[in-house]
Amino acid sequence: GESVGLHLPTLSVQEGDNSIINCAYSNSASDYFIWYKQESGKGPQFIIDIRSNMDKRQGQRVTVLLNKTVKHLSLQIAATQPGDSAVYFCAENRNDMRFGAGTRLTVKP
Amino acid sequence: GAVVSQHPSWVICKSGTSVKIECRSLDFQATTMFWYRQFPKQSLMLMATSNEGSKATYEQGVEKDKFLINHASLTLSTLTVTSAHPEDSSFYICSARDRVWTDTQYFGPGTRLTVL
Repeated sequence: GESVGLHLPTLSVQEGDNSIINCAYSNSASDYFIWYKQESGKGPQFIIDIRSNMDKRQGQRVTVLLNKTVKHLSLQIAATQPGDSAVYFCAENRNDMRFGAGTRLTVKP
Repeated sequence: GAVVSQHPSWVICKSGTSVKIECRSLDFQATTMFWYRQFPKQSLMLMATSNEGSKATYEQGVEKDKFLINHASLTLSTLTVTSAHPEDSSFYICSARDRVWTDTQYFGPGTRLTVL
């Protein structure tokens, strides 16, 4: 079964605010995680990844934090825009990659 | 970045016919590709792992004789839905793992299958 899961099925934020999407995993040996964004009618799009030798990684407007102690990771989106509206998945990078339900982010204008 | 393409992007077929979906890794070689199915408002469900040059590995509950997978080259995997029925209507998504450069899995844009 799945080894990663997301905390909240939906998240609604105001345009311009920061968004935080959380994810928990169960396997302490997991060493590589990826965040994907899926817009309606499209395949998942790679956003950012992080390996277990890091606690934080930043991209353009996105930051992923990894807390190995509590087996938790989060995706932070700065200055959320309407184009960020999508379903977000975290996944452990393994051969049989499985997905939880995802978090649907809705950005209100 | 790595690009995975799918063809066709959408297809409508009659019940009882077979449909082939292609998945290509455009700028990297993929010894392993994956096929997922996604129903509306649901998450992606892994169907099978496609291995270049060998038989695919199917997830429990997925009929291998109905969903034929062929991974003929390092850049191409095909999924054939045989004798399609309306309940097979779904969004089919493939992915490929770039083991050489990034060890990251990239997804195709998906194929919408509608069986009448």
